[in-house]
Amino acid sequence: EIVMTQSPATLSVSPGERATLSCRASQSVTSKLAWYQQKPGQAPRLLIYGASTRATGIPARFSGSGSGTEFTLTISSLQSEDFAVYYCQHYSNWPLTFGGGTKVESK
Amino acid sequence: EVQLLESGGGLVQPGGSLRLSCAASGFTFSSYSMTWVRQAPGKGLEWVSAIRRDSSTVYADSVKGRFTISRDNSKNTLYLQMSSLRAEDTAIYYCAKDCGGTWCFDSWGQGTLVTVSS
Repeated sequence: EIVMTQSPATLSVSPGERATLSCRASQSVTSKLAWYQQKPGQAPRLLIYGASTRATGIPARFSGSGSGTEFTLTISSLQSEDFAVYYCQHYSNWPLTFGGGTKVESK
Repeated sequence: EVQLLESGGGLVQPGGSLRLSCAASGFTFSSYSMTWVRQAPGKGLEWVSAIRRDSSTVYADSVKGRFTISRDNSKNTLYLQMSSLRAEDTAIYYCAKDCGGTWCFDSWGQGTLVTVSS
């Protein structure tokens, strides 16, 4: 099983600032990596797939990078609606696994 | 617009059974693989099971032999039959649609809560 490790667990950011979230895989997942955003009481929403492709309707301030075992989600200028928990997920093989999440909170 | 609507959750005793349903609309259901993902209260996301277009299935080790995923393309509905339920199965269960040929998930239902308790 591929273990996905996200860091930090909590990120305190002011609106307008840049947020950088990390996700590490215990073995290579090539570019088979997705990022999701989840707000309280809501289902997850797909942000990024293929490590760097924005899903439909996702603002350009969200970007993904990386391949192999190291991945990054960057929010270039944090908006109030971006405070949420973010999860990475690999889909390289079975079982699919998610990272533990990074909570982005207001500083 | 893609819509996924889960139902069937509730309170069940340990060792009991429950069947979840996920009614799909707004897309050609038979053309997509589907999955169930769960989230224990206050915890992260855990993949549970997946079913391909050809109805072949995959399960997480934690539910293998206890849960059965299935689909009825004539009813545009996904199912999860859960048996021998344990307290650790308590979670919100989400159904989700795959991105189309890859196992990321671009549409999710609102979830249904399953509580396993005596």
